Amino acid sequence: KAGVTQTPRYLIKTRGQQVTLSCSPISGHRSVSWYQQTPGQGLQFLFEYFSETQRNKGNFPGRFSGRQFSNSRSEMNVSTLELGDSALYLCASSLDGVAAKNIQYFGAGTRLSVL
Amino acid sequence: ILNVEQSPQSLHVQEGDSTNFTCSFPSSNFYALHWYRWETAKSPEALFVMTLNGDEKKKGRISATLNTKEGYSYLYIKGSQPEDSATYLCASTGPRDSGYALNFGKGTSLLVTP
Repeated sequence: KAGVTQTPRYLIKTRGQQVTLSCSPISGHRSVSWYQQTPGQGLQFLFEYFSETQRNKGNFPGRFSGRQFSNSRSEMNVSTLELGDSALYLCASSLDGVAAKNIQYFGAGTRLSVL
Repeated sequence: ILNVEQSPQSLHVQEGDSTNFTCSFPSSNFYALHWYRWETAKSPEALFVMTLNGDEKKKGRISATLNTKEGYSYLYIKGSQPEDSATYLCASTGPRDSGYALNFGKGTSLLVTP
């Protein structure tokens, strides 16, 4: 069974640009969550999508958005990039959401560098 | 927002030593506690999910306990091996009205040397 796939693995952008990251969940998983990790910080929850609907959202500005397609694949978009957006972005899938007992299966992440 | 704290921040032990880490979380509105292991250049991997006060889970040489009344969880590694070297993350979730979002601590980085 294939794991969670994130593309691209590495990305370099400049300030002001926008970027789209992709996440393909494990087959059969309907929930995809996105996390950001910056140096010295823990994983910060961005948002969760379930059945094409954003179900939960973390405390991030509106520049961060996402969507989920009917095949459960998800994309995350960051517009007007800032230097502080440089981070490792992880997505995780689970059978039925970020709900308490569901194990999250993580992808390898996309490392974004904003110059 | 739940504040999850982990200690120590880092730990260096010799092969064969047993070790333990602490994860503390606000006990109010608690719903579940997750432990993950994150090896360098790999994806975080789930170890345990615990929900009940007094819960104990075990996976090989690794075990975890949960105290929801006082808001802490311990992760124990018995007879540490170099392959146990990783960052260990805990995350707690609140109830449904908080969206069940996983709130992670910053992790404990473990290095086991031969």
